[in-house]
Order: sequence, then structure tokens, then C-alpha cells
Amino acid sequence: GQQLNQSPQSMFIQEGEDVSMNCTSSSIFNTWLWYKQDPGEGPVLLIALYKAGELTSNGRLTAQFGITRKDSFLNISASIPSDVGIYFCAGPSTGNQFYFGTGTSLTVIP
Amino acid sequence: KAGVTQTPRYLIKTRGQQVTLSCSPISGHRSVSWYQQTPGQGLQFLFEYFSETQRNKGNFPGRFSGRQFSNSRSEMNVSTLELGDSALYLCASSSQPGGADTQYFGPGTRLTVL
Repeated sequence: GQQLNQSPQSMFIQEGEDVSMNCTSSSIFNTWLWYKQDPGEGPVLLIALYKAGELTSNGRLTAQFGITRKDSFLNISASIPSDVGIYFCAGPSTGNQFYFGTGTSLTVIP
Repeated sequence: KAGVTQTPRYLIKTRGQQVTLSCSPISGHRSVSWYQQTPGQGLQFLFEYFSETQRNKGNFPGRFSGRQFSNSRSEMNVSTLELGDSALYLCASSSQPGGADTQYFGPGTRLTVL
């Protein structure tokens, strides 16, 4: 099935640094979702975006719905150790099925 | 509101056996989707149920099946287990079918096939 391409695949950063990751698709999405998954747990919804160009924040997290509707970006400011995990983008395609990105693994070095 | 619950959290089976996993969605949600997650393949869609009907199915063999009950609880069954079925199985609930609304995930069931 279709997959969303996320980059980078992994990141190793120092505590306090800002983080940026993005997600691209070959087809248009009407909704973009960002999830975080801790090891052995299910993904937890961080931010939902419903409109092209929309910029939404949730604490230190900010996500944007690309104007082409084929991409989205997630930024984390002033990273802390508990930000460690895998971040997934996701969205429903026109075929009425959710697709998930390949994931970005984040490691924060204290 | 209670979140999505999945039971059991961990399961160990041997090849050839069958297994049944359970998922209780968020109260009021009628859509339940199942995913298989492995390190190499990421999150792969298995199937979605809405109001007791399977609406969508991913590219998995017929050994993987599911059902949904009138209270929206869902079960997933895997028969004739293979080593490659070892994975984290996640269910997600939503108020609308087919991706029309945000999905919320349970903690998953970790299945190990020996």
C-alpha cells in the first residue's frame, strides 16, 4: 500500500536543540496527523491538521499542513529527554484508508 | 473518557497455533482498525470494521481475520501462526469510518511466535 515518506529517518540531538522533520506524499491529503510512539506502546496523537496552510501548535510542538496538500512539517523546540521516541505522520487517503509515514526516530542526548 | 484498550498486552505462541486479540474502542466510537507493526515494515493496515461490517482490508493473507460486535468491541484472529507474525498489533478507534475522523490507538498487543 501507499506509504508516506518521512525524513530524516533518525535524529540524534543535544537536549535543548530544536528539531524539524517532514512528511511527503505523492497524493493529496485532506488531513495530516502527527503521532509519537514510545517503545512497546501505541502511537499517541500529538497534532491534527485539517486545512492547507494551517499552522498548529501544541506546547513546544508546531506542525504545518503544506499548501500543496502533499506534505507536512513537525517542529519541536527546546527538546527534552522525554521527547525521545518515534514520530509518525499519517493521513486518510481518498481511498478511505489511513496511511502512515515510515517514522522518524528521535534520540535526545542529555 | 477511557481510551482504547487491548488485551492481552503480551502473548507468546508457537508456530501453527492460533491467537485471538481483543480491542475495546473509545466509548461512542464505532470504527475499529487493526494494524501490524514490525521493525522492517512499519505500520501495516490489516482491516477496518464499522458497525459490525468490514469496510476495508489490507494486503494480508486469509489467516488474518476479524470481527466486530454490536458494542463495537472487535477481535482479531490469526490462524496457523508463522514466525513472521511476531509483531506489535495495534488497534485504533474512530468515530467515523474510513479515515473521516482522527484515529486513536490502543497500547497494542505484543505477539511473539516461537
